[in-house]
Amino acid sequence: GAVVSQHPSRVICKSGTSVKIECRSLDFQATTMFWYRQFPKQSLMLMATSNEGSKATYEQGVEKDKFLINHASLTLSTLTVTSAHPEDSSFYICSAGVGTSGNTIYFGEGSWLTVV
Amino acid sequence: AQSVTQPDIHITVSEGASLELRCNYSYGATPYLFWYVQSPGQGLQLLLKYFSGDTLVQGIKGFEAEFKRSQSSFNLRKPSVHWSDAAEYFCAVGAGNFGNEKLTFGTGTRLTIIP
Repeated sequence: GAVVSQHPSRVICKSGTSVKIECRSLDFQATTMFWYRQFPKQSLMLMATSNEGSKATYEQGVEKDKFLINHASLTLSTLTVTSAHPEDSSFYICSAGVGTSGNTIYFGEGSWLTVV
Repeated sequence: AQSVTQPDIHITVSEGASLELRCNYSYGATPYLFWYVQSPGQGLQLLLKYFSGDTLVQGIKGFEAEFKRSQSSFNLRKPSVHWSDAAEYFCAVGAGNFGNEKLTFGTGTRLTIIP
């Protein structure tokens, strides 16, 4: 079945540095992917919609210059957290949909970011 | 804009007992509804989904959910829970075109199973 893979699963970075998280659709093409953030013991909040070949669409309150999204191919979207701060520490998870009717949305395994 | 309410933050059930997790949604059109399960530190696994047709939806691991438009609800049920069902459960509503759904999630319900 369709699988969405994220890498890395865990990353620790120093405050002020940037970190990139990859989201890949392994056996299907995804023109659109979605990035969510989940703080501990909270729900998932949509950050942005990643569109292949065009700019991402960010949700209200999400800083587009801080969370850079690139969707350069039909199977890869990347989220770069720039100038990371401890408050950016969170669980980041991507998703992609496949199919027409009977749509199914697959989530990646998620990436834990800790900024120290 | 759509929204999802899961009124129960935490539910404790004895192993072998029945389970019902509540979900209410708000959406202007016919909703696309989902239930996901998340184990600690893990990603999301789809349990079941509703788009149209039969309002009683069967999912994996013995779960089912019933869409009730009059009550704007999509409650998740299981007749007999297993210890491995302990996890966080999220209800979500989708908006958008087929294959391109961005989801709005409820706050989740944490399920604890006692022997």
